[in-house]
Amino acid sequence: GDSVTQMEGPVTLSEEAFLTINCTYTATGYPSLFWYVQYPGEGLQLLLKATKADDKGSNKGFEATYRKETTSFHLEKGSVQVSDSAVYFCALKPAFGGANSKLTFGKGITLSVRP
Amino acid sequence: EPEVTQTPSHQVTQMGQEVILRCVPISNHLYFYWYRQILGQKVEFLVSFYNNEISEKSEIFDDQFSVERPDGSNFTLKIRSTKLEDSAMYFCASSGQGAEAFFGQGTRLTVV
Repeated sequence: GDSVTQMEGPVTLSEEAFLTINCTYTATGYPSLFWYVQYPGEGLQLLLKATKADDKGSNKGFEATYRKETTSFHLEKGSVQVSDSAVYFCALKPAFGGANSKLTFGKGITLSVRP
Repeated sequence: EPEVTQTPSHQVTQMGQEVILRCVPISNHLYFYWYRQILGQKVEFLVSFYNNEISEKSEIFDDQFSVERPDGSNFTLKIRSTKLEDSAMYFCASSGQGAEAFFGQGTRLTVV
């Protein structure tokens, strides 16, 4: 079945540091890929998405590129801020499941940014 | 901006009791979901719902669970006889024709 693997956390960075959070997936065909973010005390928010190979999703300074050859969707940000402290989830939606197919999530990784 | 709303934000219940978690999806969405997140673990799919029917359910979604869309706006998850291991954050989500799902703030269920 489909699966998403995220790097182990937590991750602690200083403000303005470069961020990479790794995500790889196993799925048939070309799934849609997502990053969701969960700020403290809040629900899951869609951060960015990519629906086909080589697409780059971007939002709030974060970027991720859909790499079919490495089945990866790593999240990057050039300069993190304290306000980026949150839990980040990589997720996929299968290519063939239809509009209401389920999301498969990775374990999530906690990012803490120090001032 | 339209959003998915869930009530209550926190529910404490005794083992064996029934609970109903409520959700109001985004109004023009057609597809509805429940997920849960046990503390420290990954977000897990429970059930998807479309056209007043369950589309897909996971092995977690056993006979103790049920979903309903009682009117044009609410989407509920009922757990008939709660167990300690049902303690989790429950997320409702909805989607339209696009790939992305929009999530609510979650209901933290604590079974004591």
